[in-house]
Amino acid sequence: DAMVIQNPRYQVTQFGKPVTLSCSQTLNHNVMYWYQQKSSQAPKLLFHYYDKDFNNEADTPDNFQSRRPNTSFCFLDIRSPGLGDAAMYLCATSSGTAYNEQFFGPGTRLTVL
Amino acid sequence: LAKTTQPISMDSYEGQEVNITCSHNNIATNDYITWYQQFPSQGPRFIIQGYKTKVTNEVASLFIPADRKSSTLSLPRVSLSDTAVYYCLVGDTNAGNMLTFGGGTRLMVKP
Repeated sequence: DAMVIQNPRYQVTQFGKPVTLSCSQTLNHNVMYWYQQKSSQAPKLLFHYYDKDFNNEADTPDNFQSRRPNTSFCFLDIRSPGLGDAAMYLCATSSGTAYNEQFFGPGTRLTVL
Repeated sequence: LAKTTQPISMDSYEGQEVNITCSHNNIATNDYITWYQQFPSQGPRFIIQGYKTKVTNEVASLFIPADRKSSTLSLPRVSLSDTAVYYCLVGDTNAGNMLTFGGGTRLMVKP
């Protein structure tokens, strides 16, 4: 089945130690998103790629970076994780604009020690 | 300012119809209204989307009045497995058509 895959499902890192989360998709969608979701809160969009064009949300900290080497893969890099970055990180894809249905992966739960 | 306003939580019983209303007073002409469902430890899942009047699919119905300042998600005959958080989203044209998740409504279905 076509889907959005996130690895790993659970990630533990140390304060200040860089970490990379990965997302892959078999839907061949041109738009990929990264959301951060903290406990009991709504998902918050960090950034998205429209094809190769990177679009950063205005309030996304510089500590968060992203790479999209090809259509299928997208990475979230947290350069120096702080305790406040502990959250669920969700990857999503859509065909075209955000008006179209977004398909979400299962998420990666990040713990910062 | 919040883009959408929903009740924080709702309780229901199995077999009942559940209606969740979302307010979006500042909806723009080109905005669509979209609802997502999220189970614990899973990513959100698209339920339904509409622009005006009524939309129905195999999962839910979406009612949108003429002024489009609110919308109501209707879930017929809920079951325990419908316990989830339901998010109402409105397309934000000022942000390049990106959708913003509001607070969501936590629906608890009881036996």
